[in-house]
Amino acid sequence: DVKVTQSSRYLVKRTGEKVFLECVQDMDHENMFWYRQDPGLGLRLIYFSYDVKMKEKGDIPEGYSVSREKKERFSLILESASTNQTSMYLCASRGTGIAYEQYFGPGTRLTVT
Amino acid sequence: QKEVEQDPGPLSVPEGAIVSLNCTYSNSAFQYFMWYRQYSRKGPELLMYTYSSGNKEDGRFTAQVDKSSKYISLFIRDSQPSDSATYLCAMLAQKLVFGQGTRLTINP
Repeated sequence: DVKVTQSSRYLVKRTGEKVFLECVQDMDHENMFWYRQDPGLGLRLIYFSYDVKMKEKGDIPEGYSVSREKKERFSLILESASTNQTSMYLCASRGTGIAYEQYFGPGTRLTVT
Repeated sequence: QKEVEQDPGPLSVPEGAIVSLNCTYSNSAFQYFMWYRQYSRKGPELLMYTYSSGNKEDGRFTAQVDKSSKYISLFIRDSQPSDSATYLCAMLAQKLVFGQGTRLTINP
């Protein structure tokens, strides 16, 4: 079974703090993704990575950065957290060949106060 | 206009009812059509996928794609309380695009 784990289920941070969200997958997948999920807006892609040290902007990259130093690990960084970044953050991974089959982690509920 | 539109609900039906969940889309390039199910406090998981037009059945679930109308549906027969979840449609061309999700509750 593919397993995608995220470092925290719930996180509360203050405005202006630097926030790190970690994601690890155990299936040697090349592709990894960060989404945020908000009511009425669905899943929106923040960044994705198709290889180590490679990254591509998604639909809403502003205010975020990412790091992929190892194949199994993909980190999302909020350089200076703001209240409008309060959201559910979902990490996903996908191998090559089956483009539609993304495996999601359980999510991190981030609250910025 | 959003590429994928999905009625967010919420939708509440009695146990045993037939449930119909729907999405419309605008991008003719979409080739793969998927339904993900997301239980409360969990990540989405792939439920079914269909390539191009047609129907696909898996137990109590049937996925339908009508590319001429740009419309996809998921039918759940004999719905169970364990089907209570948020259902997200997703479509793939160059990238995966998700609908907003429909929150479904099956009442015993």
